[in-house]
Amino acid sequence: AQKITQTQPGMFVQEKEAVTLDCTYDTSDQSYGLFWYKQPSSGEMIFLIYQGSYDEQNATEGRYSLNFQKARKSANLVISASQLGDSAMYFCAMREGVNTGGFKTIFGAGTRLFVKA
Amino acid sequence: ETGVTQTPRHLVMGMTNKKSLKCEQHLGHNAMYWYKQSAKKPLELMFVYNFKEQTENNSVPSRFSPECPNSSHLFLHLHTLQPEDSALYLCASSQTVVPYNEQFFGPGTRLTVL
Repeated sequence: AQKITQTQPGMFVQEKEAVTLDCTYDTSDQSYGLFWYKQPSSGEMIFLIYQGSYDEQNATEGRYSLNFQKARKSANLVISASQLGDSAMYFCAMREGVNTGGFKTIFGAGTRLFVKA
Repeated sequence: ETGVTQTPRHLVMGMTNKKSLKCEQHLGHNAMYWYKQSAKKPLELMFVYNFKEQTENNSVPSRFSPECPNSSHLFLHLHTLQPEDSALYLCASSQTVVPYNEQFFGPGTRLTVL
């Protein structure tokens, strides 16, 4: 079974609008971390935002926020005020606790975001 | 230099060649990783090193041989590769391997095996 599911292979958003990229995960661990990365066409993976499983507040980093719904096992990324430079692949990832393979970070298949002018 | 660097950025090799990929991190991290990114597949973890010790080998074929001489450097030695090994190879580092440490990635090496 997939541990990280990103159901949107591609998304379009109008410049200056907000967009939500979906991510659901599967784990039996109580302690885990959730990450979002951006990969532009250059190939480099850029860390965007982190959410810990015990964090009560949703993480925010500038225009990025993570809508963390623990009971639903979802960790959607919200990008506000989209910019043309946001066009890229976006990956959701999870690292489980030490007891269940804490050395591995598992990545989803990614969502390609296209920002239209 | 800052962050995570990788050399070379592009590599074309024949199936009988031997080459090495190099990764260096300037972040003072203790954990380093090799990932493989193939077209239309999720990023795949290959190896994890924590304080220079290999802690994870994700069923990687022996034609890929990692080496971590110190916490700042990580190599991936390649020999007798197959065309299906063509991919983007990404190196990453993190402070430690605990769940809340984010990984910082290098720019990757685009490998083509002929």
